[in-house]
Amino acid sequence: SYVLTQPPSVSVAPGQTATMTCGGDNLSIKTVHWYHQKPGQAPALVIHDNTKRPSGIPERFSVSRSGNTATLSISRVEAGDEADFYCQIWGGGVDRPVFGGGTKLTVL
Amino acid sequence: QVQLVESGGGVVQPGRPLRLSCTASGFTFGSHGMHWVRQTPGKGLEWVAHIWHDGSKQSYADSVKGRFTISRDNSKNTLYVQMNSLRGEDTAFYYCARQANVGTMGYIDLWGRGTLVTVSS
Repeated sequence: SYVLTQPPSVSVAPGQTATMTCGGDNLSIKTVHWYHQKPGQAPALVIHDNTKRPSGIPERFSVSRSGNTATLSISRVEAGDEADFYCQIWGGGVDRPVFGGGTKLTVL
Repeated sequence: QVQLVESGGGVVQPGRPLRLSCTASGFTFGSHGMHWVRQTPGKGLEWVAHIWHDGSKQSYADSVKGRFTISRDNSKNTLYVQMNSLRGEDTAFYYCARQANVGTMGYIDLWGRGTLVTVSS
């Protein structure tokens, strides 16, 4: 089965840029989506279709791609950005939704 | 108000069945595929099952295939999952989630708040 790999944790000081990666076989040809989950809350969509932000998600959230790795960046990090972040794919030869293991973002 | 509200969670003994429901409101339920996604407390997200917008096709994670059945009643704006032969490893928060119907449609654009299922004797 397909596996998406994310680092378990990322720490960043307020005002800095947080980056978290998502890797997988042939990910360069697949469409990646991202969710965040704040403590005690349900997940919520932050990026869909590789780079698109839903309404309400600030421009501070962006995604870049390099080879088989997608990177979610959050600029000017705030304390309220602390959350677990998950990448996800479905399609491109993957016949069911797959989530990465998640990255816990800690704002120092 | 656009929302999904799960119900039916609780404590159940191993081997026993349980049915979860998810009531949708604020949008055209029958226009969207729907998922169940679960999360063991403190762990990551695991996709469980999906059903097409019209209920004509279902798919399941290998971990639940043959034990769980996803269904829907579009006249009642309700999604279900019948969970049989429950095991300890099925203990999790179960989220009802809406498949997007724009763009690639390969993502979830709305989540419920979840309902906790605890399988324990």
